Amino acid sequence: GNSVTQMEGPVTLSEEAFLTINCTYTATGYPSLFWYVQYPGEGLQLLLKATKADDKGSNKGFEATYRKETTSFHLEKGSVQVSDSAVYFCALIPSGGYQKVTFGTGTKLQVIP
Amino acid sequence: DVKVTQSSRYLVKRTGEKVFLECVQDMDHENMFWYRQDPGLGLRLIYFSYDVKMKEKGDIPEGYSVSREKKERFSLILESASTNQTSMYLCASSPSSGSDEQYFGPGTRLTVT
Repeated sequence: GNSVTQMEGPVTLSEEAFLTINCTYTATGYPSLFWYVQYPGEGLQLLLKATKADDKGSNKGFEATYRKETTSFHLEKGSVQVSDSAVYFCALIPSGGYQKVTFGTGTKLQVIP
Repeated sequence: DVKVTQSSRYLVKRTGEKVFLECVQDMDHENMFWYRQDPGLGLRLIYFSYDVKMKEKGDIPEGYSVSREKKERFSLILESASTNQTSMYLCASSPSSGSDEQYFGPGTRLTVT
């Protein structure tokens, strides 16, 4: 079946540090890949996505590149802020998957001033 | 903006009670979803619906049922609540065509005592 594996947290960084959250997936064909973010007390919201190999999704200074050869979609940001503190979920929709999303377990990021 | 609302942010129920969780979306989306979110397990799909009166089981449907009588409303029902159903419940919606982004409500934290 489909699965998403992401690094366990929590991840604690100082403000302006570089962020990487690793995500790898298992799926047949060419799934669409997503990063969702959940701020404290809120539901999830889409951060970025990529729908085919070598695509790069980007938003709010975050980036992730769809790597078919390594089945990865790592999230990066060059300089984190305190306001980026949240839980980040990697996810996929398989090709032809009727929008049924498979989520990773989430990685909590805490940014300290 | 798309808005997904859930009837309660916090709910406390007793074992054996029948529990209704309501979700309403205002963007005329065809697809609606119920997830539960637990630490270390991420989001798991309980049920989803791609049309009025249509429903499909997700990954963990046992102990739950759903109802979708109107396009904008999707209800999750716990026929006889148990303590292992204590969790955060998230509702989401998405359109059938175009963007495959899911839009989430703020969640209902249910405690069964």
